[in-house]
Amino acid sequence: GAGVSQSPSNKVTEKGKDVELRCDPISGHTALYWYRQSLGQGLEFLIYFQGNSAPDKSGLPSDRFSAERTGGSVSTLTIQRTQQEDSAVYLCASSPRQGQNTEAFFGQGTRLTVV
Amino acid sequence: AQSVTQLGSHVSVSEGALVLLRCNYSSSVPPYLFWYVQYPNQGLQLLLKYTSAATLVKGINGFEAEFKKSETSFHLTKPSAHMSDAAEYFCAVNFNKFYFGSGTKLNVKP
Repeated sequence: GAGVSQSPSNKVTEKGKDVELRCDPISGHTALYWYRQSLGQGLEFLIYFQGNSAPDKSGLPSDRFSAERTGGSVSTLTIQRTQQEDSAVYLCASSPRQGQNTEAFFGQGTRLTVV
Repeated sequence: AQSVTQLGSHVSVSEGALVLLRCNYSSSVPPYLFWYVQYPNQGLQLLLKYTSAATLVKGINGFEAEFKKSETSFHLTKPSAHMSDAAEYFCAVNFNKFYFGSGTKLNVKP
């Protein structure tokens, strides 16, 4: 398909385990974002990749969270030693270019449940 | 400081009635504003965006928004609500990354 693809769509994990969430952006899009959506918390920025520039990691809530983007395309968000408060929907988005008038295209999200 | 503020976390209208969802932006942000819609268990979908070409912006599904600099507002409207409009709506600004309002859940009553 032509949209942003995220996998898995649902993930249930035990507290303390590590998880990896994958995002395939739209082909050719240079910008990629991760957001977290928790009940009652709105949309929380996590990290932003733009081309070959250093990523903006200012939204990562702790050092248990990390993300990488390989080859300027696929991105993986890793959460180590998961906690119950990590339960949320993780949304990935991509944009065709940098620019404040440029919209982001969102994937369907990964619903993470930590038990 | 909050970049965009949405007034009203829940709005309920009858089918066929006017929909008005409010968004105010901080005057310190550049005027590139967006409205997104999120249906249950889905990602966000772009409804419309303002990029200074025209103050009245038309989007998908009959929605439109008017940029009013004097009021620092970018309210979303639709003349006649449909049951399928029930969703959560987010106002956003792109200031190197997207800053979203807290969202407004729209309920449409039959």
